[in-house]
Amino acid sequence: DTGVSQDPRHKITKRGQNVTFRCDPISEHNRLYWYRQTLGQGPEFLTYFQNEAQLEKSRLLSDRFSAERPKGSFSTLEIQRTEQGDSAMYLCASSLIGPGGELFFGEGSRLTVL
Amino acid sequence: GQQLNQSPQSMFIQEGEDVSMNCTSSSIFNTWLWYKQDPGEGPVLLIALYKAGELTSNGRLTAQFGITRKDSFLNISASIPSDVGIYFCAGQSSGTYKYIFGTGTRLKVLA
Repeated sequence: DTGVSQDPRHKITKRGQNVTFRCDPISEHNRLYWYRQTLGQGPEFLTYFQNEAQLEKSRLLSDRFSAERPKGSFSTLEIQRTEQGDSAMYLCASSLIGPGGELFFGEGSRLTVL
Repeated sequence: GQQLNQSPQSMFIQEGEDVSMNCTSSSIFNTWLWYKQDPGEGPVLLIALYKAGELTSNGRLTAQFGITRKDSFLNISASIPSDVGIYFCAGQSSGTYKYIFGTGTRLKVLA
């Protein structure tokens, strides 16, 4: 399978713990995006990378959130000191470089904070 | 976070009926994408639109890029039970490569 891969698919954690999600994009895609989706809502933009550079971050990405893409391939999204409000589906998508590059999403990582 | 307005919010239709939904923005977009999402899964790309007035089909699905560049439309003809799901639009404006998503249209098809 050469699509976008996310791990883990499900994570249950206690409030205050740190969690990390990994995303492996489609191999030739230069751009990698993170979105958050809560029940009944559309995906909300968090951040995106072009190669290893983080080019844009949303106000939703508080200082407890950090995303990295160290070698321009896979990316990690870490949430420190999780809160119940962090419970959501975290979606990763990748695209080719260039205007209008279509986003291809992974299956998502569902986080539940107890 | 910012989201686009989609209409209708939900719809129940009989199998075989045609479906129309739309997405509107206060901003001008250069690209519109349409996705379908099943429960617990990531969105799947259906159609991409790149020019104002463009009409693009993918099987029974047809989407249009509005002339004002502030809206887009998706039509599904002869609906079938597997069309059930949530349909999202997404738009990209100039000066950024992020996409803003709509609030979704939930479609249910009655056999």
